[in-house]
Amino acid sequence: AQRVTQPEKLLSVFKGAPVELKCNYSYSGSPELFWYVQYSRQRLQLLLRHISRESIKGFTADLNKGETSFHLKKPFAQEEDSAMYYCALRLTQGGSEKLVFGKGTKLTVNP
Amino acid sequence: GAGVSQSPSNKVTEKGKDVELRCDPISGHTALYWYRQSLGQGLEFLIYFQGNSAPDKSGLPSDRFSAERTGGSVSTLTIQRTQQEDSAVYLCASSLAAGANEQYFGPGTRLTVT
Repeated sequence: AQRVTQPEKLLSVFKGAPVELKCNYSYSGSPELFWYVQYSRQRLQLLLRHISRESIKGFTADLNKGETSFHLKKPFAQEEDSAMYYCALRLTQGGSEKLVFGKGTKLTVNP
Repeated sequence: GAGVSQSPSNKVTEKGKDVELRCDPISGHTALYWYRQSLGQGLEFLIYFQGNSAPDKSGLPSDRFSAERTGGSVSTLTIQRTQQEDSAVYLCASSLAAGANEQYFGPGTRLTVT
């Protein structure tokens, strides 16, 4: 079954420290993975997608097919990074598509 | 430009009543999705609309849930005979087309069933 696992519900770091939010997936095909972020009192929004291999707000994520992981990393966390982060796997099948989300990790960056 | 909008932002209803939740997608977006965000369950897919194709209703949790999309634009999610376990935030998202790389989410409707 297709599944996304984010093992940490809560993650707390100090400003300037590195941060890594873990994401593992279970999928038999070639995965399309995304990180979405929800800041306090804001709507859910796309942070980055693996296919673009981009860095957004200093965050990067590398797809590791061997480990079935797509961890989100930032070398120096900022207070404004505090938010809820969701890893998502896009499934397309029979003309339909949807995102399968992990349960999210709440990141708190302390001053 | 205007993003995805949803109404109402909050809805409190009594168990057993019917509710309707509305979603206005971004103009020109042909794909529309409904998700449910509840404590302990995270974000769950409910239903997908693409153009004039038959919707994918595989995520609807029971036959009390239904959705329609009129004129390829506005969508309404209806929950009949609400139960307390229906309490959640219902999110709508739209994307430019099937296979587009980003889904744009609305602010959600928080439903509380008392």
